[in-house]
Amino acid sequence: RKEVEQDPGPFNVPEGATVAFNCTYSNSASQSFFWYRQDCRKEPKLLMSVYSSGNEDGRFTAQLNRASQYISLLIRDSKLSDSATYLCVVKLTGGFKTIFGAGTRLFVKA
Amino acid sequence: EAQVTQNPRYLITVTGKKLTVTCSQNMNHEYMSWYRQDPGLGLRQIYYSMNVEVTDKGDVPEGYKVSRKEKRNFPLILESPSPNQTSLYFCASRSDPLAYEQYFGPGTRLTVT
Repeated sequence: RKEVEQDPGPFNVPEGATVAFNCTYSNSASQSFFWYRQDCRKEPKLLMSVYSSGNEDGRFTAQLNRASQYISLLIRDSKLSDSATYLCVVKLTGGFKTIFGAGTRLFVKA
Repeated sequence: EAQVTQNPRYLITVTGKKLTVTCSQNMNHEYMSWYRQDPGLGLRQIYYSMNVEVTDKGDVPEGYKVSRKEKRNFPLILESPSPNQTSLYFCASRSDPLAYEQYFGPGTRLTVT
């Protein structure tokens, strides 16, 4: 079983739609949580950190449920430019090891 | 401009021919790491370095070596590449292990025939 699991998708949505991605993690030493965005064949870039209280950055909302070991990302009012792969990322206690999910592919269509 | 650079960006080589992929960062970051990315598997950590002369294995270190003689550089060495090391490789750095954001290089696409 992978330590960080994501639905690979792809998710195909029209512009303006709301889409939600889920992620589960299994390592009890997981300390910090993030969503990264990766465009095709490019390097991953930090989208946002994820906090237990939930956090929002414009159209993006991230949630963490430590009891269920579950992380989510909600994208509202999808734009064509949101098309990318979204990586769920977990950093273990101590900060030395980082585990990436395989990613969820999103296509936003006009 | 703050950045992580990797060279080469693309490399096709043959089994057994030693190669080095260079990685350099200009942000004075202590922590650097190497990942490989394969379809369906996501990024997997190969090696990481907490500072000069301090390195440790990640999840998939077999067949790779690293060194950290200077803070800015963290080369990845494949002493005897094999076809199963065909992959997309990323170098990354962050200011320290507890820092949130990790900055990635542009990637090196390696094919071993």
